[in-house]
Amino acid sequence: DAGITQSPRHKVTETGTPVTLRCHQTENHRYMYWYRQDPGHGLRLIHYSYGVKDTDKGEVSDGYSVSRSKTEDFLLTLESATSSQTSVYFCAISESSPEGLTNYGYTFGSGTRLTVV
Amino acid sequence: GQQVMQIPQYQHVQEGEDFTTYCNSSTTLSNIQWYKQRPGGHPVFLIQLVKSGEVKKQKRLTFQFGEAKKNSSLHITATQTTDVGTYFCAGPTGDSWGKLQFGAGTQVVVTP
Repeated sequence: DAGITQSPRHKVTETGTPVTLRCHQTENHRYMYWYRQDPGHGLRLIHYSYGVKDTDKGEVSDGYSVSRSKTEDFLLTLESATSSQTSVYFCAISESSPEGLTNYGYTFGSGTRLTVV
Repeated sequence: GQQVMQIPQYQHVQEGEDFTTYCNSSTTLSNIQWYKQRPGGHPVFLIQLVKSGEVKKQKRLTFQFGEAKKNSSLHITATQTTDVGTYFCAGPTGDSWGKLQFGAGTQVVVTP
């Protein structure tokens, strides 16, 4: 969708190396999320952000860190990549909290396919 | 913690037939959302249901939110090849600042 881009789209990296994925939005949305998608597991939340420098862990945060120094950018870092982190990573943005009754849902980026060899 | 479960995991449908996919939460939800992901694509928001018993339609798709706000369904009539993809339901976890818990999805394959 227009307004959210992920980079890179594809990456192959070696075990033990650090990797940073970038999510950039032009919508000025407050909430940003990183998910990973694996067969049979659906979408699992890694980390999320509810404002600049405000981040928190999701259900599968081990081995990952995030940073959000500007509204528009949310970075996901794999500190020391492992084969179990081979996955498709999606960034999502939201204008309001999912608890909101007039929520317009998440807008997802196109994803980053990461392979750790 | 909250669990969101979807059944079936896979659905093979003959073109022109109807089918339904179901979503069940272990806790009461303030709202529920549905997403569609085409093969090789990213999830796309379809709809949000808020009220108990709410029914919403989008062309051949009918979404329903249960009376107890713990379950939801998506019914597709006269399935077309364009309906191929994975359908996810998602509900707020209820934590402060909020985040969505996604079900594992129903993968739909349409046979011409």
